[in-house]
Formats: sequence, structure tokens, C-alpha cells
Amino acid sequence: DAGITQSPRYKITETGRQVTLMCHQTWSHSYMFWYRQDLGHGLRLIYYSAAADITDKGEVPDGYVVSRSKTENFPLTLESATRSQTSVYFCASSPDRVYGYTFGSGTRLTVV
Amino acid sequence: TQLLEQSPQFLSIQEGENLTVYCNSSSVFSSLQWYRQEPGEGPVLLVTVVTGGEVKKLKRLTFQFGDARKDSSLHITAAQPGDTGLYLCAGGSSNTGKLIFGQGTTLQVKP
Repeated sequence: DAGITQSPRYKITETGRQVTLMCHQTWSHSYMFWYRQDLGHGLRLIYYSAAADITDKGEVPDGYVVSRSKTENFPLTLESATRSQTSVYFCASSPDRVYGYTFGSGTRLTVV
Repeated sequence: TQLLEQSPQFLSIQEGENLTVYCNSSSVFSSLQWYRQEPGEGPVLLVTVVTGGEVKKLKRLTFQFGDARKDSSLHITAAQPGDTGLYLCAGGSSNTGKLIFGQGTTLQVKP
């Protein structure tokens, strides 16, 4: 199916475990982004990528790792999950710097 | 650090009323976007404005970009229950492609 898909949709993990959130887009968009959404903080940028093998930090990158070996995939890894990383995570893509983003449906992550 | 302030944060109105949501910053943006988000889903793009003073209309929604490209407004005419949701403004940087989001305005339209 065309579009941007995130998996899993819901995830519960324990403190200290590594967890990877997946994001896949079918448009070959150059730009991809990871945001987290929390009550009172809105959407905050974690990492972004302008192209394959090019990534850069956003506003709240600590505790997260990204990679982009292929244009269509942009996985987000929490190296050692903490309770403060409980959040809803959104992946987005965009063809260039001006047009709007297309967001995935999100992953709701709970760290216990 | 670029910041976008949205107001009001919450709005509860009756069907048929008009409303305006504001998005303000001290920073200049190359583009300003508005999104609408429903519970359990990702934000969906409504409009992108790129020129200072630009006005765009989308049915009952009117979007305006300030002359100095630091602020924007969203006006909804004759609101309907289907307009209920979270409205987000986002300022874009042409250099990085990154968007900075406002905190959002939660709109409830009662029948």
C-alpha cells in the first residue's frame, strides 16, 4: 500500500530494554522525521534525515539513535528505554523543504 | 530557539459559530503550515502558505500568513461538529526543511 506506515502501533517495554520503532514510506521522499508528542509539549523533533545516510539531531535527541541506509526506511531506536520516553511517536516524510509533511499513524510506546 | 505560540489552547463552541486560531512567533519562517489531528491518528496537512500576506481558503477555512512571515491565523466560518479536533500550526525553515510546531488548539464544536 502506498503511504507511510509505522510499526508497531502499540508497544509496552521494560525500563532498560532496547526497542526499535519502524517507519516505511513508499514515495521516495527525501526528507524523513521523527517526532514525539506529549501532553503539554506538543510535537517535538527527535531526529531528521535529508537523504539516505544523512541524519541530524532535532530538539530532543538524547537516548535515541536513528539510521537511514535506504531512502524508504527510517527506524528509531531507544538504546535503553526510560519511563520518560513513554510517549506517542510519529514518523513523517516530505519531498522537499517547503511542502508539508505526511505523517504516519503513530506508535504509542509505554515504558514500565 | 524558534518558538510558535498558539492561542487559544482550548475552544468549545456551538455549531454555526465562527472562530479564529492564532499562531505567533518572533522568528521569521519560510513557510507556515496548518495541520488537523484526530485522536489516535497523525496530523494531516490542511494548507501551506509561503508568501507574506498570503490568504488561502479551503471551503469554510481561511488561512492567512502575516506580512512579516512571523504569524498566521486560521478562521473557521460556521463551525460544524466535524471540525472538532486538534489544530496545529508549524513554521518551516527553507534551510533545513525542519518544522517547529505550536502547542496546538483543541477545538470542540457542539451540535
